[in-house]
Amino acid sequence: EAGVTQSPTHLIKTRGQQVTLRCSPISGHTSVYWYQQALGLGLQFLLWYDEGEERNRGNFPPRFSGRQFPNYSSELNVNALELEDSALYLCASNWDGTTEAFFGQGTRLTVV
Amino acid sequence: GDSVTQMEGPVTLSEEAFLTINCTYTATGYPSLFWYVQYPGEGLQLLLKATKADDKGSNKGFEATYRKETTSFHLEKGSVQVSDSAVYFCALSVAAGNNRKLIWGLGTSLAVNP
Repeated sequence: EAGVTQSPTHLIKTRGQQVTLRCSPISGHTSVYWYQQALGLGLQFLLWYDEGEERNRGNFPPRFSGRQFPNYSSELNVNALELEDSALYLCASNWDGTTEAFFGQGTRLTVV
Repeated sequence: GDSVTQMEGPVTLSEEAFLTINCTYTATGYPSLFWYVQYPGEGLQLLLKATKADDKGSNKGFEATYRKETTSFHLEKGSVQVSDSAVYFCALSVAAGNNRKLIWGLGTSLAVNP
């Protein structure tokens, strides 16, 4: 069974640009989480989607947004990129928001 | 509010040493508790879990016991290996009505020297 897949694995963007990251959850999982992991820091919760709706949002500015599609895959969009947005972005999924989450390998974003 | 507190790292040990990484929590309701591991350059993997008080989770020689009386879920391993070098995250999940969430500790970096 395929795990959580994220794309792309790496990308480099220029400050001010926009980026879209993608995540496909494990088949059957309805909840998708997005996390930011900056170098040397812990996991910072970004967004949680369940059944197509945004359920919770971390302490990030509105230029971080996303959505969940009917097939439960998800996109994370970041507008007006700043240098400090450089980080590993991790996606995770689970059944119902309470069981263990399964993580993808992440997307390494570098903003120059 | 709900929270997880992990001991700060980095933790540096010699191979075959005993490992303890402390994790305490505050939560309403009856959370499930997890330890995740992140090896260099990789995403997070579930290491072990416990879903109710006094449960012991175990995997790859690691153990943690859900202690409700001390609100703790400390990770232990009797003899660490160089391959255990990673960042370890403690987490809890809690559900109260429609409010369901995963709460994470900040992670503890472990380096094991040969």
